[in-house]
Amino acid sequence: DAGITQSPRHKVTETGTPVTLRCHQTENHRYMYWYRQDPGHGLRLIHYSYGVKDTDKGEVSDGYSVSRSKTEDFLLTLESATSSQTSVYFCAISEGAGTGTNEQYFGPGTRLTVT
Amino acid sequence: GQNIDQPTEMTATEGAIVQINCTYQTSGFNGLFWYQQHAGEAPTFLSYNVLDGLEEKGRFSSFLSRSKGYSYLLLKELQMKDSASYLCAHRDAGKSTFGDGTTLTVKP
Repeated sequence: DAGITQSPRHKVTETGTPVTLRCHQTENHRYMYWYRQDPGHGLRLIHYSYGVKDTDKGEVSDGYSVSRSKTEDFLLTLESATSSQTSVYFCAISEGAGTGTNEQYFGPGTRLTVT
Repeated sequence: GQNIDQPTEMTATEGAIVQINCTYQTSGFNGLFWYQQHAGEAPTFLSYNVLDGLEEKGRFSSFLSRSKGYSYLLLKELQMKDSASYLCAHRDAGKSTFGDGTTLTVKP
């Protein structure tokens, strides 16, 4: 199994509070991703990173920010949580994104509830 | 995913063959992926196609037609443990776009 962990695994927070989710990898992979998954839906990309300090937006980036100061860590921050951000958040890593398979390996997920 | 379509649910019998279809639209393309996700778990990689044709890997095969924007995942000799959601995804440069997944139920 790819060495990828997420913390916390579960969190309940109140509307308006800031929340930071952490993704940590031990594979030295270049690419890291944050997705959210809602019931009955696939994965929707929030932000991704293609190197230290290099990040880009995904399809649902509003209300989220990210930072990557080290290869192994990718942080997702909800500046002011809203109930619509209640979801399961998955982090993923991949070695590359060009030619070659470069499949994504997913972390175990973080279940976030905003009350 | 708004530009990827796959059936929401499918049911099949243990030991049978099932084909899960996926159609997509994208301006840039460097690969089509299939992932399996059991309930309450993280997705895991199943297959990758970048050229047209069939890729076979044990009981699972995946087909791609780039000109038609079409892929399918074929599962043979179905087992109860194959009950899961199957996610189709295409990659364009650094970003992957996922479909909403097909929930497959395998019945005895």
